[in-house]
Amino acid sequence: DARVTQTPRHKVTEMGQEVTMRCQPILGHNTVFWYRQTMMQGLELLAYFRNRAPLDDSGMPKDRFSAEMPDATLATLKIQPSEPRDSAVYFCASGLVELRNTEAFFGQGTRLTVV
Amino acid sequence: KNQVEQSPQSLIILEGKNCTLQCNYTVSPFSNLRWYKQDTGRGPVSLTIMTFSENTKSNGRYTATLDADTKQSSLHITASQLSDSASYICVVRDSAAGNKLTFGGGTRVLVKP
Repeated sequence: DARVTQTPRHKVTEMGQEVTMRCQPILGHNTVFWYRQTMMQGLELLAYFRNRAPLDDSGMPKDRFSAEMPDATLATLKIQPSEPRDSAVYFCASGLVELRNTEAFFGQGTRLTVV
Repeated sequence: KNQVEQSPQSLIILEGKNCTLQCNYTVSPFSNLRWYKQDTGRGPVSLTIMTFSENTKSNGRYTATLDADTKQSSLHITASQLSDSASYICVVRDSAAGNKLTFGGGTRVLVKP
């Protein structure tokens, strides 16, 4: 069945290391979101792509975070260098924006721990 | 600034009892409102969607209401089950360019036997 796939599910890394999270959106969806979830802040939008073009990445710390969609089947979120405050669960979601009430389907998330 | 406020932050109920979660929003212009259920360690899953003209919508034991005039929504869980233990997140979409989603902080529900 169609689902958003995120890898890895869990990542523990040392401060200063590069982290790359990957997302495979549902086939045919043209909108991809990256969210970060923490206990304190809840779900925060980091970046938003439509038809592979970045539409809004205002929620993302530009100095260390970058998001790309090299093709329609892969979205990546990279943190370089990582810091302990980046520890969170990172969710990718995809949808079809042409549908007025389109639902954003979420992946299982990548739980990142930076020590 | 668009905001979505949920209450209570958390609640504990006994299995079989009912409960109601609240969501107040200031998102404008309004497009739709969704309630998501998020199990621990999983991504959120949509329960219901409410558009401007809809007042009530049910999905099994979940019933959502919307008052677009007062900008309030509620999610009622009937005859709670242990599997209802989760976080419930209210998400409002605006109809302006970008169709941004504004997330509430969620209500964490714990159903005890």
